[in-house]
Amino acid sequence: GAGVSQSPSNKVTEKGKDVELRCDPISGHTALYWYRQSLGQGLEFLIYFQGNSAPDKSGLPSDRFSAERTGGSVSTLTIQRTQQEDSAVYLCASSKGVYNEQFFGPGTRLTVL
Amino acid sequence: DQQVKQNSPSLSVQEGRISILNCDYTNSMFDYFLWYKKYPAEGPTFLISISSIKDKNEDGRFTVFLNKSAKHLSLHIVPSQPGDSAVYFCAASAILTGGGNKLTFGTGTQLKVEL
Repeated sequence: GAGVSQSPSNKVTEKGKDVELRCDPISGHTALYWYRQSLGQGLEFLIYFQGNSAPDKSGLPSDRFSAERTGGSVSTLTIQRTQQEDSAVYLCASSKGVYNEQFFGPGTRLTVL
Repeated sequence: DQQVKQNSPSLSVQEGRISILNCDYTNSMFDYFLWYKKYPAEGPTFLISISSIKDKNEDGRFTVFLNKSAKHLSLHIVPSQPGDSAVYFCAASAILTGGGNKLTFGTGTQLKVEL
């Protein structure tokens, strides 16, 4: 079956612009996670959605970052007024339930010039 | 503050030999540990996991060992194959406040299996 998909695969933007990254989780997966990987770093947790519960935003690095999950499926991660330090690969993962294995998408490589 | 550490950024082994990838953690609240494998331009894929109540889990060529007292785990691959060449991430699981399963990742080890 289809895995987690993310779009775009690559995004180059200018400093100060807003960007939206999209994640389509595996159908039927109730949990959705966003991570990012900066150069030379491990994967950093950003935000977690589970069903209709309020998301856990404890990993978001600043208030320029926000995420939505509409209808319990597709999620968008929005970065406002991008900065060069936002350049990273942004990864989305989904899982059947909160304690199950997470399946990752291919990521979106964001470059802020 | 790196709670999960992979101190070897790279490892090179010969085909057929054993690959040993190491991982250390600092947070004693972690209760579940996973290894993910990542090829370039792809997301990480789950490889093997171990609960904190066990000290060993084996799946084919892959075995994960956990030493809770030392806060150390390792992944053994034997025999190593060229297709195993990838970046391996160690991850530790902590339950989020509202439930859920936050993964804390190490920085990865690039494994190269040479012919």
